[in-house]
Amino acid sequence: NAGVMQNPRHLVRRRGQEARLRCSPMKGHSHVYWYRQLPEEGLKFMVYLQKENIIDESGMPKERFSAEFPKEGPSILRIQQVVRGDSAAYFCASSPTLQGRGEQYFGPGTRLTVT
Amino acid sequence: QQQVKQSPQSLIVQKGGISIINCAYENTAFDYFPWYQQFPGKGPALLIAIRPDVSEKKEGRFTISFNKSAKQFSLHIMDSQPGDSATYFCAANGGTYSGNTPLVFGKGTRLSVIA
Repeated sequence: NAGVMQNPRHLVRRRGQEARLRCSPMKGHSHVYWYRQLPEEGLKFMVYLQKENIIDESGMPKERFSAEFPKEGPSILRIQQVVRGDSAAYFCASSPTLQGRGEQYFGPGTRLTVT
Repeated sequence: QQQVKQSPQSLIVQKGGISIINCAYENTAFDYFPWYQQFPGKGPALLIAIRPDVSEKKEGRFTISFNKSAKQFSLHIMDSQPGDSATYFCAANGGTYSGNTPLVFGKGTRLSVIA
């Protein structure tokens, strides 16, 4: 039973380039969440998706950031025209389909470095 | 309203001692309170969680105590071991949707267990 998978694990981008982060949820999970972690800080919610729907994007910057979770394939967090302040660890979590089940399981993260 | 405040920021405990980490929340709609353990370079791992219908939950050496009236919950690690040295995050969610909602995290506690 594979856990949440994220790739790449490390990503280096120059300022102005695009970053694409991928997340495959645990088998049987249809809820995906993206969080960002800055050094020495807790995780901050960015966006919550179900298959083909964005449920809550209140934590995601309005510009340059977008997320999707297509019917087939992984969820993708896309950051356009990256800036140094985007350097962080980005974690994806998934939770079960059943309503009322609050537990979220995290992937290993993608560490983005913007040079 | 959405904050979860965690203390202490760092903690040093002797091997075999009890580690205690505290969290407080404001949003009374929260109904799920997990603790996560994170090692350097890894994703957060779900350790133990509690819902407000019980005041205590124990799993092995880990215990959550929950005080609904004070809006506080704490993690106790009994017989702390060097392998427990990690960063611990409390979190909370619930309320807005039918069960699956983004987690709000505390800022973390860096625990060091020394021999």
